[in-house]
Amino acid sequence: EVQLVESGGGLVQPGGSLRLSCAASGFTFSSNWMNWVRQAPGKGLEWVASIKQDGSEKYYVDSVKGRFTISRDNAKNSLYLQMNSLRAEDTAVYYCARNGGYCTGGVCHAIFDFWGQGTLVTVSS
Amino acid sequence: QMTQSPSSLSASVGDRVTITCRASQDIRNHLGWYQQKPGKAPKVLIYAASSLESGVPSRFSGSGSGTDFTLTISSLQPEDFATYYCLQDYNHPLTFGQGTKVESK
Repeated sequence: EVQLVESGGGLVQPGGSLRLSCAASGFTFSSNWMNWVRQAPGKGLEWVASIKQDGSEKYYVDSVKGRFTISRDNAKNSLYLQMNSLRAEDTAVYYCARNGGYCTGGVCHAIFDFWGQGTLVTVSS
Repeated sequence: QMTQSPSSLSASVGDRVTITCRASQDIRNHLGWYQQKPGKAPKVLIYAASSLESGVPSRFSGSGSGTDFTLTISSLQPEDFATYYCLQDYNHPLTFGQGTKVESK
């Protein structure tokens, strides 16, 4: 059974740092792109970052570039999000999501097929 | 940029429900649809614009290509009251639509 379990959320002051973790099990972690998606209280979903299977490619939403770093440790089946210079607008539930992927004719589509339960990050003084 | 409409709708069990997403550029068929219930993680319904994810009821269908996409629920069931999001995966940054909340009339 595929499981994704986030941890590391909490209350942090503006300008502070936090590191989120996502422990994966039930699948070959090194075979999938992984993602972080967040949801501010009462708001919609926002994709935050993606990382390729071997960590060689990383992408970020503009609002977190230079502040957040996505990484992974395939030996530990773990995904991370290092968040620095946190702002009030970063307050959200952060989900890790597996990209199940679907490729046909050389074209691949993202499928966020498994999600964690989310971890709440609150940035406030 | 994905523009989703309507932002909310009221419907009754058995109704046919249609939600649309418009992309600001041609994204081919790189679009998925997700359902989210309060306090829960999203769930994928449709990928590649029209492919039904395994285990998802056949009353859900997706269509469209290029810039205009549609999610249709052919006969709304009680468990379908939720918020629905589209997600374009044509290029980074990946972008979700603003969401459509389907409420009981």
